[in-house]
Amino acid sequence: GESVGLHLPTLSVQEGDNSIINCAYSNSASDYFIWYKQESGKGPQFIIDIRSNMDKRQGQRVTVLLNKTVKHLSLQIAATQPGDSAVYFCAESFSGGYNKLIFGAGTRLAVHP
Amino acid sequence: KAGVTQTPRYLIKTRGQQVTLSCSPISGHRSVSWYQQTPGQGLQFLFEYFSETQRNKGNFPGRFSGRQFSNSRSEMNVSTLELGDSALYLCASSSATGNEKLFFGSGTQLSVL
Repeated sequence: GESVGLHLPTLSVQEGDNSIINCAYSNSASDYFIWYKQESGKGPQFIIDIRSNMDKRQGQRVTVLLNKTVKHLSLQIAATQPGDSAVYFCAESFSGGYNKLIFGAGTRLAVHP
Repeated sequence: KAGVTQTPRYLIKTRGQQVTLSCSPISGHRSVSWYQQTPGQGLQFLFEYFSETQRNKGNFPGRFSGRQFSNSRSEMNVSTLELGDSALYLCASSSATGNEKLFFGSGTQLSVL
């Protein structure tokens, strides 16, 4: 949306390349993780989620990897397209948190033709 | 199925005024959460409601309040507005009671002058 941060780290990729967006999470007790995509003027859009009993989950053109040892999450986008250009947020939560998500700062993905 | 609907889309208020924002969740969703998004602080959790009960609250002053109605629609209110309250306010709904994916609306862009 219009209020998305102007000084976010930016990942620039060529159309057709694979993109990897990384995220470090903060709470060792977190057991649920989500990636969201936010385009200008819109709210965050769900991409993929993963629970702490898994270390990898695949969707359509996207894969999420979870490394609990180092509290690291990554989102891989295959064959990146111009429509993938957006800000990407990782978010974490824990059981009993009643849908309270802790969001990362976000990464801007810029796809160049 | 209609998504999460937030009204109004834009609001301009002056310091000291109060404001009420509205959210209609996805049909059948009983959990509604509110988030504030600013360039400096990113996405921050405000509160979550389920079956008209506030189950969780973020670290915001008491000027920020909310409620949920029996049809799961929710409102949030900010009293005595400050310049720093200018932000995109996002509502999200979920079908489940715990850690499940949240679906976000497009938000209400509040500007405080």
